[in-house]
Amino acid sequence: QSALTQPASVSGSPGQSITISCTGSSSDVGGYNYVSWYQQHPGKAPKFMIYDVSKRPSGVSNRFSGSKSGNTASLTISGLQAEDEADYYCRSYTSSNTYVFGTGTKVTVL
Amino acid sequence: EVQLVESGGGLVQPGGSLRLSCAASGFTFTDYGMNWVRQAPGKGLEWISYIRYDSTTISYADSVKGRFTISRDNAENSLYLLMNSLRAEDTAVYYCARGKFTLDVWGQGTTVTVSS
Repeated sequence: QSALTQPASVSGSPGQSITISCTGSSSDVGGYNYVSWYQQHPGKAPKFMIYDVSKRPSGVSNRFSGSKSGNTASLTISGLQAEDEADYYCRSYTSSNTYVFGTGTKVTVL
Repeated sequence: EVQLVESGGGLVQPGGSLRLSCAASGFTFTDYGMNWVRQAPGKGLEWISYIRYDSTTISYADSVKGRFTISRDNAENSLYLLMNSLRAEDTAVYYCARGKFTLDVWGQGTTVTVSS
């Protein structure tokens, strides 16, 4: 049950687009369309942003989008804003009937 | 308002036990699977356990299997985590979260510190 691999940090200027990758294996990310993404501001509980790879819940800005190719899922934030500065985590269902989070990515708005 | 409220955290010695609770309100508790997720200080999120709405399916992360036990009382709208044989590395904020493939509602967390 190794954590999914995410870049430790990603940064961008306001208005730019950034993409966070989440790499696993055919036993998790690549094998199921059950990847979700979570945003966590310091000292706060996580908030879910994307589910089932690319679906966006009501109330989440359409600047957030998800996708998947092979064993790698991605979260793209377009039109980067100061409020997007936070930690982001992916999560996937696994073939062992368990779940695994990514290592987490700190997004910095320059 | 949909809400999850954890309680039961605190300071415990290595080898000790602790029972966490999560009180659910504002939704039909029996419609949802539930999870425990933890976050060690300065570290990332770690999924540790899931229980189906009817308790017929339970799963654990390898890091807690055999030491932690998840349970629920649907009559009380409550989720529990019994933690035995606690280690220093179990020190974390413990969150309960609603859902199966997606965790759509989270509590505010309760802090567990394992130290002598």
